[in-house]
Amino acid sequence: EIVLTQSPATLSLSPGERATLSCRASQSVSSYLAWYQQKPGQAPRLLIYDASNRATGIPARFSGSGSGTDFTLTISSLQPEDFAVYYCQQRDNWPWTFGQGTKVE
Amino acid sequence: QVQLVESGGGVVQPGGSLRLSCAASGFTFINYGIHWVRQAPGKGLEWVAIISFDGNVQLYADSVKGRFTISRDNSKNTLYLQMNSLRAEDTALYYCAKQLAVARNYFDHWGQGTLVTVSS
Repeated sequence: EIVLTQSPATLSLSPGERATLSCRASQSVSSYLAWYQQKPGQAPRLLIYDASNRATGIPARFSGSGSGTDFTLTISSLQPEDFAVYYCQQRDNWPWTFGQGTKVE
Repeated sequence: QVQLVESGGGVVQPGGSLRLSCAASGFTFINYGIHWVRQAPGKGLEWVAIISFDGNVQLYADSVKGRFTISRDNSKNTLYLQMNSLRAEDTALYYCAKQLAVARNYFDHWGQGTLVTVSS
């Protein structure tokens, strides 16, 4: 099973700042990685798939990059609604796995 | 718009059973595989199971294999999860989630979840 390790566990920033979240895979997942946002009491929302493709309706301030084992989610200028927990997920190898999450506060 | 509505959660004793349902609308149900993903209280996300668009393929996480069964009724646009031999560690919010596209197993739409609590 592929293990995804996200860092940092918590990111403390202010609105308007740039957020950089990391996800590292225990083995290569090619570009088959997604990012999700989850707010308290809500289901996760797909932000990015295949490492760098924004899902439908996702603002351009969210961007993804990386391939192989190292991936990054960047939020260019944090908006108040962006404070949430972010998860990465790989689909390269079954079983599909998630990272443990990064909380942006 | 795409809607997924889970139901069937509740409190059950260890060793008991529950059947979850997920009613889908707003998309062509028969064209997509559907997953169950769970989240223990205060914890992260764990993939549980998938069933293919035609119901012919089912895959399970090791943690539930042999105890859970995923099925679907394409005539009713409904997904099911039969959960047997429940354990305390199965306590979680259970989401159904639609795959982005065939063989692209990302989760692009989620239900609101149904809570399963396993406790004596």
